[in-house]
Amino acid sequence: DTAVSQTPKYLVTQMGNDKSIKCEQNLGHDTMYWYKQDSKKFLKIMFSYNNKELIINETVPNRFSPKSPDKAHLNLHINSLELGDSAVYFCASSQDTQGRGYEQYFGPGTRLTVT
Amino acid sequence: SQQGEEDPQALSIQEGENATMNCSYKTSINNLQWYRQNSGRGLVHLILIRSNEREKHSGRLRVTLDTSKKSSSLLITASRAADTASYFCATDRQGAQKLVFGQGTRLTINP
Repeated sequence: DTAVSQTPKYLVTQMGNDKSIKCEQNLGHDTMYWYKQDSKKFLKIMFSYNNKELIINETVPNRFSPKSPDKAHLNLHINSLELGDSAVYFCASSQDTQGRGYEQYFGPGTRLTVT
Repeated sequence: SQQGEEDPQALSIQEGENATMNCSYKTSINNLQWYRQNSGRGLVHLILIRSNEREKHSGRLRVTLDTSKKSSSLLITASRAADTASYFCATDRQGAQKLVFGQGTRLTINP
């Protein structure tokens, strides 16, 4: 059974388009995250939600808007896509927010290519 | 700014040898975690060591933490081809509510 799932796995689109990535976890966790991994494998947190409440919003352009309809889902919508948005986007979840030693469970990633 | 720095960036060894990767960080932490990422896949949690612990074992993995030097090491003993992957350390900084990942060590095990 998949713990953290993301769709789609691959996304190829043109500059200026709007796209969404969906994430679902069936672990019963309270906290979910979005990460961006660039071509050099550097993994950087973008957002985190705890029980549908935004906890972390790193310096991410306003074109990126997360939405958490319930604590099992965290979607990422990106407006006006730019070449620099090309990366692999990972969703993750943990039992609660960091600070108490919770491991994170990652989805398989969505490889976004903007042409 | 990036918290964890892994060293080396790439490591290539023969199957059966031991592999050691290091991680340095800059600020006080609650705990430090190591993750593995196989090519084209998501990260998988390997082991967590808390700030009051000095060493931890899990199967063929041994992690050490030296808070005075702000560094950690991951040792994989008797390496196997299946251990080929990138390994990341992640620090859980006090008050930060997030993990900060290093850039990883790319480990290649040659058969």
